[in-house]
Amino acid sequence: GQQLNQSPQSMFIQEGEDVSMNCTSSSIFNTWLWYKQEPGEGPVLLIALYKAGELTSNGRLTAQFGITRKDSFLNISASIPSDVGIYFCAGHTGGGADGLTFGKGTHLIIQP
Amino acid sequence: DVKVTQSSRYLVKRTGEKVFLECVQDMDHENMFWYRQDPGLGLRLIYFSYDVKMKEKGDIPEGYSVSREKKERFSLILESASTNQTSMYLCASRIQGTGSKLFFGSGTQLSVL
Repeated sequence: GQQLNQSPQSMFIQEGEDVSMNCTSSSIFNTWLWYKQEPGEGPVLLIALYKAGELTSNGRLTAQFGITRKDSFLNISASIPSDVGIYFCAGHTGGGADGLTFGKGTHLIIQP
Repeated sequence: DVKVTQSSRYLVKRTGEKVFLECVQDMDHENMFWYRQDPGLGLRLIYFSYDVKMKEKGDIPEGYSVSREKKERFSLILESASTNQTSMYLCASRIQGTGSKLFFGSGTQLSVL
């Protein structure tokens, strides 16, 4: 199946720092999504991107759909302790009821 | 609010047992999915269902089957549990035709001894 390369695998940062993570693929996707999973919970959708070049914000989070449709990035500005969790990118090719292809996740750890 | 409920948070079973993982959604969504999540491997699709009584294999269906007798309920079945099926299992649902937004349950951590 399709594969997404998500990096970095983990990040150890200080509270207040900005965070950047990205996903790349050898395949084209029509939709990119970013999810966050907190300990003991299922992933929750943060941002969905539907057009190449699209830049979307959700509070301190900003995500972009790459022009080639093969990549996406997520930025978090001024991190706070509740940003801790695993962030997953996901791609969808569109059509049918197939599921999403997920990256392996970026584990964000924040030191106060 | 969207709600996907998985019946068990933690489950411990023995090798060879038949295991049922249940998922219920209250949003009248047509599509439902089962993923498993393993450290370093992310989320991998086991099975999905377009609608009642319909099912499709995902990327890793071996050792699993599913049942969708009612729209709101999607069951994952391990016919004969093995230790390599120890994992976190996540159920998700989606409105047909909405593209890609999946809503996830809180997960079932299954340990097979």
